[in-house]
Amino acid sequence: GENVEQHPSTLSVQEGDSAVIKCTYSDSASNYFPWYKQELGKRPQLIIDIRSNVGEKKDQRIAVTLNKTAKHFSLHITETQPEDSAVYFCAADSGGGADGLTFGKGTHLIIQP
Amino acid sequence: DVKVTQSSRYLVKRTGEKVFLECVQDMDHENMFWYRQDPGLGLRLIYFSYDVKMKEKGDIPEGYSVSREKKERFSLILESASTNQTSMYLCASSTPQENTEAFFGQGTRLTVV
Repeated sequence: GENVEQHPSTLSVQEGDSAVIKCTYSDSASNYFPWYKQELGKRPQLIIDIRSNVGEKKDQRIAVTLNKTAKHFSLHITETQPEDSAVYFCAADSGGGADGLTFGKGTHLIIQP
Repeated sequence: DVKVTQSSRYLVKRTGEKVFLECVQDMDHENMFWYRQDPGLGLRLIYFSYDVKMKEKGDIPEGYSVSREKKERFSLILESASTNQTSMYLCASSTPQENTEAFFGQGTRLTVV
């Protein structure tokens, strides 16, 4: 089955700086790569996703890049703000949606004032 | 607005008890999932269902079973709770189309003593 590795496990950045979280996946059949944000005590929520026919996608301060050849994808957050502090999960879907997502272990992003 | 509701936010049960975790979604989604979230391990898939009365094992099904008698409801059952099942349990639902968002419930923090 699919295996998703996520790094780093903890990331601390100064407010206003950029943050990058990286993930690799093992199943070349995976074609959907969402990112979820989980604030303390809350449910994970989708913040951005990318499909395998696209190399990059941007939504305001967040962007995701995908390298299918190398089987890795990354989340980029620019101009970080205190409300960006959360745990971020990457995921990969190789089952056409019905088999569930395979998640990375999460990155705890800490924004230092 | 999609709503996935889990019956309990916090639950404390004794070792050996039979435990039921309930999840209801109101968006007529075919797919429903149960994940377990542990620090440093991310979200791991326990069971999923893509139709009423259908169920499939995820990555860590041992010690768990599920029931899907109605489309909107997906129950996770711990036949005989053990301390190593102390965890956060998250239910999610999605449509059957490929590459679609999974919507999560708020989670049930289960403690087995």
